[in-house]
Amino acid sequence: DVKVTQSSRYLVKRTGEKVFLECVQDMDHENMFWYRQDPGLGLRLIYFSYDVKMKEKGDIPEGYSVSREKKERFSLILESASTNQTSMYLCASSLGPVGSYEQYFGPGTRLTVT
Amino acid sequence: TQLLEQSPQFLSIQEGENLTVYCNSSSVFSSLQWYRQEPGEGPVLLVTVVTGGEVKKLKRLTFQFGDARKDSSLHITAAQPGDTGLYLCAGVDSNYQLIWGAGTKLIIKP
Repeated sequence: DVKVTQSSRYLVKRTGEKVFLECVQDMDHENMFWYRQDPGLGLRLIYFSYDVKMKEKGDIPEGYSVSREKKERFSLILESASTNQTSMYLCASSLGPVGSYEQYFGPGTRLTVT
Repeated sequence: TQLLEQSPQFLSIQEGENLTVYCNSSSVFSSLQWYRQEPGEGPVLLVTVVTGGEVKKLKRLTFQFGDARKDSSLHITAAQPGDTGLYLCAGVDSNYQLIWGAGTKLIIKP
């Protein structure tokens, strides 16, 4: 079974703090994704990566950055957390392009910024 | 901006009833996916429909892709409490990007 794990289930940070969200997948998938999920808005793509050290902006990259130094690990960084970044963050991975290959999601990190 | 509208946003029904969830867009998709997300977990893919008019069945769940590949529906027969969750649809556009609906929160009461 594919497993996508995220470093924390719940996280509380203060405004202005630097926040790291880690995601690891164990199936040698090429593609990895970071989404945020807010009620009534569905999933919105922040960044994705199709190879090590490669990254592409999604629909809402402002205020976020990512790092993919190893194939299995994709990190989301909030350089200076703000209250409007309070959300559920979901990581996903897939073997190939979406639509042709299934995306596997982690359990999510619920981040609260106070 | 492509939109995928899901309806209803929220549905609470008794065990044994039937229900239908809709996913509509003005855009054409190459395929459409349905996911279920349970509390505290990430979404899990249920089915992908590819061909216009396609119907797929997964036990008591029936998925249909519209003839023009702009809309889809999920019908659940004799709903069970285990069907409770957030149902999400996502269309694959011509750039191989996923366009997500906002979700339908379904509660099945015993």
